[in-house]
Amino acid sequence: DQQVKQNSPSLSVQEGRISILNCDYTNSMFDYFLWYKKYPAEGPTFLISISSIKDKNEDGRFTVFLNKSAKHLSLHIVPSQPGDSAVYFCAASGTSYGKLTFGQGTILTVHP
Amino acid sequence: EPEVTQTPSHQVTQMGQEVILRCVPISNHLYFYWYRQILGQKVEFLVSFYNNEISEKSEIFDDQFSVERPDGSNFTLKIRSTKLEDSAMYFCASSPGGVSYNSPLHFGNGTRLTVT
Repeated sequence: DQQVKQNSPSLSVQEGRISILNCDYTNSMFDYFLWYKKYPAEGPTFLISISSIKDKNEDGRFTVFLNKSAKHLSLHIVPSQPGDSAVYFCAASGTSYGKLTFGQGTILTVHP
Repeated sequence: EPEVTQTPSHQVTQMGQEVILRCVPISNHLYFYWYRQILGQKVEFLVSFYNNEISEKSEIFDDQFSVERPDGSNFTLKIRSTKLEDSAMYFCASSPGGVSYNSPLHFGNGTRLTVT
């Protein structure tokens, strides 16, 4: 199932800089997109979401951008902190009311 | 902050045995879900549950799987006769409404199921 893809398995960033995590999708029926963060031995933790009627949503240091024509979304973290080091998953939902389709995840490492 | 709790954290079972994974969703949530992640693979949807019945299930959720809300607080996933390929991390999740802009899923910390 390649409907949601995160093409970068890992990303390394210096503390204080911007982290940009990318996600592409193929299913044009998706209308709700989410980012989750996951630490080892824990479940995914909801970070931020965006509806397809918007192109940007901001919450503190986290901003999600949606480009519907390109079927692309990105998560910006500014400034990055060492505690942000985790696996980040992008997920999408569409007409299936209760179902999220996840990407493979990107391991973010923020160096002090 | 309220959280979804799952027990046990790790379950080891022999092939062919039945297992029940338990979850306590967030108390005012109405929608409940099971997802799983096989090692090295994506988190994948298994089933959603609302109003005491299955709303949707994936092709993975065959007759070997069942879900139940036996009382007002617990939500369980039963695998009748486990196979080696059922080994995975199983995540329970809940949401106040169906998946939407104002109703993200909240996940538990998972149960690692190992089938030997």
